[in-house]
Amino acid sequence: GIQVEQSPPDLILQEGANSTLRCNFSDSVNNLQWFHQNPWGQLINLFYIPSGTKQNGRLSATTVATERYSLLYISSSQTTDSGVYFCAVELNTGTASKLTFGTGTRLQVTL
Amino acid sequence: DAMVIQNPRYQVTQFGKPVTLSCSQTLNHNVMYWYQQKSSQAPKLLFHYYDKDFNNEADTPDNFQSRRPNTSFCFLDIRSPGLGDAAMYLCATSTLLGEIDQETQYFGPGTRLLVL
Repeated sequence: GIQVEQSPPDLILQEGANSTLRCNFSDSVNNLQWFHQNPWGQLINLFYIPSGTKQNGRLSATTVATERYSLLYISSSQTTDSGVYFCAVELNTGTASKLTFGTGTRLQVTL
Repeated sequence: DAMVIQNPRYQVTQFGKPVTLSCSQTLNHNVMYWYQQKSSQAPKLLFHYYDKDFNNEADTPDNFQSRRPNTSFCFLDIRSPGLGDAAMYLCATSTLLGEIDQETQYFGPGTRLLVL
């Protein structure tokens, strides 16, 4: 099956710092999503980004589908950004969008 | 607000005692998914429903079953929980395919299962 690798696995930032998270995938996919899982386990969709660049406040994401990677940028990080960031690639079955999640990046933002 | 609701948030069961987790949604989405997420791992898809059509992943153990009595509700039944089934169980929904930005999956808060 498809392999989805994320880097770095762990990241510690001081509040206000910027960071870039990377997601590499081994095969062509229909779409890609970025999620934030907060410390209570809730998965929040950040971006639905099959290609190109999108921005939402302090976050932005870029997917280069032809080169099989995606990047998530976090600027001016805040303690509430802490948690695990997952990218997930989507394979369309015709009746559902099946997600394969990456290995995750655990982010801790300190004061 | 439209949302995906999971009950209970925490569930404790005994080894071998059947347990049912529930998920409901007010989004009126056609597709509902169940994922298992073990500690420090990524979520892993167990199965999904497209309307009433059930689709099992090839490596989902027979111990896991699911029911979807109507559009709004979906249940995960674990017939004989083992210690290895302790995990967070996440329910998600999505809508019809083919509409831009409509294929996003929306996740519930999860049910954390403990097996004693």
